[in-house]
Formats: sequence, structure tokens, C-alpha cells
Amino acid sequence: AQSVAQPEDQVNVAEGNPLTVKCTYSVSGNPYLFWYVQYPNRGLQFLLKYITGDNLVKGSYGFEAEFNKSQTSFHLKKPSALVSDSALYFCAGSWGKLQFGAGTQVVVTP
Amino acid sequence: DVKVTQSSRYLVKRTGEKVFLECVQDMDHENMFWYRQDPGLGLRLIYFSYDVKMKEKGDIPEGYSVSREKKERFSLILESASTNQTSMYLCASSLGGLADSYEQYFGPGTRLTVT
Repeated sequence: AQSVAQPEDQVNVAEGNPLTVKCTYSVSGNPYLFWYVQYPNRGLQFLLKYITGDNLVKGSYGFEAEFNKSQTSFHLKKPSALVSDSALYFCAGSWGKLQFGAGTQVVVTP
Repeated sequence: DVKVTQSSRYLVKRTGEKVFLECVQDMDHENMFWYRQDPGLGLRLIYFSYDVKMKEKGDIPEGYSVSREKKERFSLILESASTNQTSMYLCASSLGGLADSYEQYFGPGTRLTVT
């Protein structure tokens, strides 16, 4: 079955350090891949998507993600994390319908 | 900016009650979706609609129904609420008919508690 997986429930990082949130997807065709972020008590906001083309995708708030077909991964990255990046992050893949991962809580400490 | 609004932020209902959750989007999007969000499970699709009066079941449609009489409005109905339907409900919309490459825009969510 088509799916995405987020192997980490929580990621802790100090402000100013690089942030990586991991996502892998099942190999079934060529999915469209997305990252969304959810700040406390708010709906999800779109960050970025991979459709085709350049494997490095740049998105909102300084985030980027790298599509790696050989490793079936689409990890989200930010070179220097901010306290305000603390939120719940969801990876999603679309094989006709959007399938969400379970989410990764990011905690950035001052 | 796309705006997706949901009728209530918090709702408390009793078991057996009929519950209506309303969602309105203002960007003329063809697609609209209803999800529920539960800790550790991510978002799960309940129903979606790609046109007025059209609806398709998602992954967990049991116990729910939907209505889309106008393009901008998509309603989720719990015919007889049960405690296992206590959850956060998120509405979303997107462009594109049946195309799935468009990002979805989400409302703020309705936290429903069934007692």
C-alpha cells in the first residue's frame, strides 16, 4: 500500500543548529510529496512540494527538502533552526489521494 | 490568500446527537476534503468532493456523511455521534478537479468532544 513514514515522533534541536525532519515513502509509482506544518491550535500550512524536476525543493520560512529516489526519502531541512519553528510537521504523499505521515514534533530550545 | 473557515473551534456533543460541521472556502476551489486528526495517527481522510453534489469516500467514512450543495461549502455530518468520534476535524480545499499535485489549504480545525 502506498504510504509515507516519519520515523521520529519528536526532534529536539538547539536554536541556530541545523534541523532535519525525516520522511520515507513507499515505492509505488511516482508520488507527489509534500510537507506541511501545524503550529499550536492552528490548521496545517503548506511548506513545499516535490512534483518533478530538481531534487532540491525550496519552500516557505527557509525550509527545503531533498527528494532521494534511491533511498525513497524526502527529508525536510533548515540550516539554522529558530524557536518559532517549534511545531508539528507532517510529510504527505499523493498517489491519487493524499496520505499523511503520523507527524514529527519539533522542539527548538533557546 | 486562500481562506478556509470552519463553523466552530470547539464543540461538545452528547452520544447519539446529530452533529453538523461546516466548512467554507473563498477561492473557488474544486476539491474539498474532511480529515480527522488523532495523536500518533496523523490525518486520515474521511470524505472528499471534487465538484458540487459529488462525493467520494476516504479511508474512514464509517459513521459520517457529507453534503456539498454549493461549491464553496462542504459539510460533515455525524448521524449519531459516538465517543470514538471525539477528535480534531480539519477541512481543506484545493484546485484542480481530480489532479492531486495541488497543495491543500486547511481550516483551523474543530475540536469535537462527544460525551
